[in-house]
Amino acid sequence: DGGITQSPKYLFRKEGQNVTLSCEQNLNHDAMYWYRQDPGQGLRLIYYSQIVNDFQKGDIAEGYSVSREKKESFPLTVTSAQKNPTAFYLCASAPGQGNYGYTFGSGTRLTVV
Amino acid sequence: GESVGLHLPTLSVQEGDNSIINCAYSNSASDYFIWYKQESGKGPQFIIDIRSNMDKRQGQRVTVLLNKTVKHLSLQIAATQPGDSAVYFCAERSPGQFYFGTGTSLTVIP
Repeated sequence: DGGITQSPKYLFRKEGQNVTLSCEQNLNHDAMYWYRQDPGQGLRLIYYSQIVNDFQKGDIAEGYSVSREKKESFPLTVTSAQKNPTAFYLCASAPGQGNYGYTFGSGTRLTVV
Repeated sequence: GESVGLHLPTLSVQEGDNSIINCAYSNSASDYFIWYKQESGKGPQFIIDIRSNMDKRQGQRVTVLLNKTVKHLSLQIAATQPGDSAVYFCAERSPGQFYFGTGTSLTVIP
């Protein structure tokens, strides 16, 4: 079955550490996205990529970094520069053209301890 | 309806009743809309979509209504079931990207 997989489901980080969240899709989608979800707020776009080896900052990119070396993979690194990293992170993918919504992964809950 | 803030709007319905969840969108240039369902601790799931050249679309037990005049979107769920309990939010596609509402928490009372 095609889908989008995020790992790990839960992640704990000590202050000052960088952590990387994995996102893999086998849907052959061109576009991939990272969103942050906080209680009572809509999804906020961190980074997105519409093609391999290219990505763009979203609305809240500060303190985050990404790479897109393969079509299937779009890992997100939460760096120590991110002041409030505790959140639920969602990865999504889309065909890139046409009237399609996003397919979301199951999310990673990151907690800073 | 949905709004920006720290507290989600909530809706409680009796099992078997119909549910109506509302969403006000912001951009009159938005051309495509989606409703998502999100269960606790999980990623959002696509429910139904509608293009801006339509005002109504029906799926299985769900109907989406679009009123472009007042920039309003609604999701109707017929014969609501306990498995429908979740957060529902709308998404609008403005040129370039999707924007997501904060969501409405639906609780179905058995």
